[in-house]
Amino acid sequence: AQSVTQLGSHVSVSEGALVLLRCNYSSSVPPYLFWYVQYPNQGLQLLLKYTSAATLVKGINGFEAEFKKSETSFHLTKPSAHMSDAAEYFCAVRTSGNTPLVFGKGTRLSVIA
Amino acid sequence: DAGVIQSPRHEVTEMGQEVTLRCKPISGHNSLFWYRQTMMRGLELLIYFNNNVPIDDSGMPEDRFSAKMPNASFSTLKIQPSEPRDSAVYFCASSPGRAGRGYEEEQYFGPGTRLTVT
Repeated sequence: AQSVTQLGSHVSVSEGALVLLRCNYSSSVPPYLFWYVQYPNQGLQLLLKYTSAATLVKGINGFEAEFKKSETSFHLTKPSAHMSDAAEYFCAVRTSGNTPLVFGKGTRLSVIA
Repeated sequence: DAGVIQSPRHEVTEMGQEVTLRCKPISGHNSLFWYRQTMMRGLELLIYFNNNVPIDDSGMPEDRFSAKMPNASFSTLKIQPSEPRDSAVYFCASSPGRAGRGYEEEQYFGPGTRLTVT
């Protein structure tokens, strides 16, 4: 069965610093991978998704993620953190059509002024 | 589009009472999902529907939980009787569910219902 592992339940960065949130997947077939963001008291919203078209995926709010098959990873990055990036970030995977996304445990990002 | 609509946004009830959570998916979407989010367990899939038919309810905690989708624009999640451990945020999500395109489809989440059972 497919799954994702997010390393680090909490990541803290300074404003302007690089953001790196880690996600590793487990799948026996080519996966479709997603990153979602959840702001306080809100639902999840899509940041970006990998659908095999390109290994480097650009999303909203300056985030991007790179699919690395050799490392079974799909880490999320942003060159310069803003205070508004403070939120919970979820990595998710799907390997079969029309089935639910399987979510990781989430990583809470704190941005320090 | 109004997005996925959930009601109520907050529900406080006493143990033993029946609770009904409601969801209106995005118009035209064929797949609907119910999730529960807690600090301890994270985001858990409870049940999902394709074309109004329940496909997998293995995530439903126990018989106290039930879900229905009487038509393409409405779904309910019912807890009867409710218990304090049911306190959580319940999310509804929908996706287009297009044949042959399901792999790459994102799920659109509602704002959630925060349930507190005292």
